[in-house]
Amino acid sequence: GDSVTQMEGPVTLSEEAFLTINCTYTATGYPSLFWYVQYPGEGLQLLLKATKADDKGSNKGFEATYRKETTSFHLEKGSVQVSDSAVYFCALSPNQAGTALIFGKGTTLSVSS
Amino acid sequence: NAGVTQTPKFQVLKTGQSMTLQCAQDMNHEYMSWYRQDPGMGLRLIHYSVGAGITDQGEVPNGYNVSRSTTEDFPLRLLSAAPSQTSVYFCASRTGTIFTGELFFGEGSRLTVL
Repeated sequence: GDSVTQMEGPVTLSEEAFLTINCTYTATGYPSLFWYVQYPGEGLQLLLKATKADDKGSNKGFEATYRKETTSFHLEKGSVQVSDSAVYFCALSPNQAGTALIFGKGTTLSVSS
Repeated sequence: NAGVTQTPKFQVLKTGQSMTLQCAQDMNHEYMSWYRQDPGMGLRLIHYSVGAGITDQGEVPNGYNVSRSTTEDFPLRLLSAAPSQTSVYFCASRTGTIFTGELFFGEGSRLTVL
């Protein structure tokens, strides 16, 4: 079945460092891809998405490009801030009726000043 | 907008007790779902619903029941709680027919079963 694999965490960075969180997926059709973020004590919220190959999603300085050839959707940010400390989830939607969003296990990011 | 509202936020149960986690959304979303979040496991789908009167099982449905009598509400019932059900539970909703649409999450309900 469809699945999402994320890099294991935690990821610990200093403020202004470059961030990459790897995400790869397995899907039989043409899925949409998402990154969700969970701040401490809160529910998940959508960070960015891409609905077809070569699309780039971006928001709050974060970017991810839908790469069908490598089945990847890596999250990047050029300069992280302390406020970016959170858990990041890569997710996949099979884009079929009756199916649900499939999440990776999450990557914890901790940014220190 | 209230969005997705979950109650209670915290609950402690004894093994064998029953309870219902409430979920309500005010966005007229057709699709609603329940996930549980456990350390190292990410989010796992328990049950979901694509509209009133329609429910289906997710990845980990055992020990949980759901019903969908209205568009707004999607309660999750634990009939006989077990320690393995200690977790953080999230309700989420989105527009039913747009699979690329954003999934809106509640703030979560932390359940401890002793």
